[in-house]
Amino acid sequence: KQEVTQIPAALSVPEGENLVLNCSFTDSAIYNLQWFRQDPGKGLTSLLLIQSSQREQTSGRLNASLDKSSGRSTLYIAASQPGDSATYLCAVRTGNQFYFGTGTSLTVIP
Amino acid sequence: DAGVIQSPRHEVTEMGQEVTLRCKPISGHDYLFWYRQTMMRGLELLIYFNNNVPIDDSGMPEDRFSAKMPNASFSTLKIQPSEPRDSAVYFCASSLNGDQPQHFGDGTRLSIL
Repeated sequence: KQEVTQIPAALSVPEGENLVLNCSFTDSAIYNLQWFRQDPGKGLTSLLLIQSSQREQTSGRLNASLDKSSGRSTLYIAASQPGDSATYLCAVRTGNQFYFGTGTSLTVIP
Repeated sequence: DAGVIQSPRHEVTEMGQEVTLRCKPISGHDYLFWYRQTMMRGLELLIYFNNNVPIDDSGMPEDRFSAKMPNASFSTLKIQPSEPRDSAVYFCASSLNGDQPQHFGDGTRLSIL
């Protein structure tokens, strides 16, 4: 069974810093990997989706990379802002199943 | 577009009662997903549909849980009878297809007393 791990569970950074969130998975046979953010009391908001044939995706200050062979993905956030504070989750599609990590809770301190 | 709409937002009921959660996906989306989120287990996929047909229900915890999608614009998740351990936030999500981003509703916070 696919296992998705996100370390650290929580991260605090001062405003303006660049940061990297990590996601690792045990089965490299994935169709795609998706990064989400979740604000308290809300559902998940899709940030970036990387297909298995792609290496990275970019949207604004966000850049996600995928290395299937090593079972890793990173989400890079440039010039962090207090509004980036949220929980970030990654999810992989393997076969007919979708597996989520437990998330990294990010706090950006003004 | 209005996004994925779930109702109710909150539900509190006593154990043994039937609970019905509702979801309206984004128009034109062929996939619909039901998830459960708890502090202990994180986000778990319960079941998902493609063109109203259940594709994978291996995440449904037991026979007390059932889900239906009678048409492209409506789905229900039913728990009967409910138990305190079913307390969680239940999310519905939809996507154009299995390779497109999933769009989540705001969830139903369910408390079983």
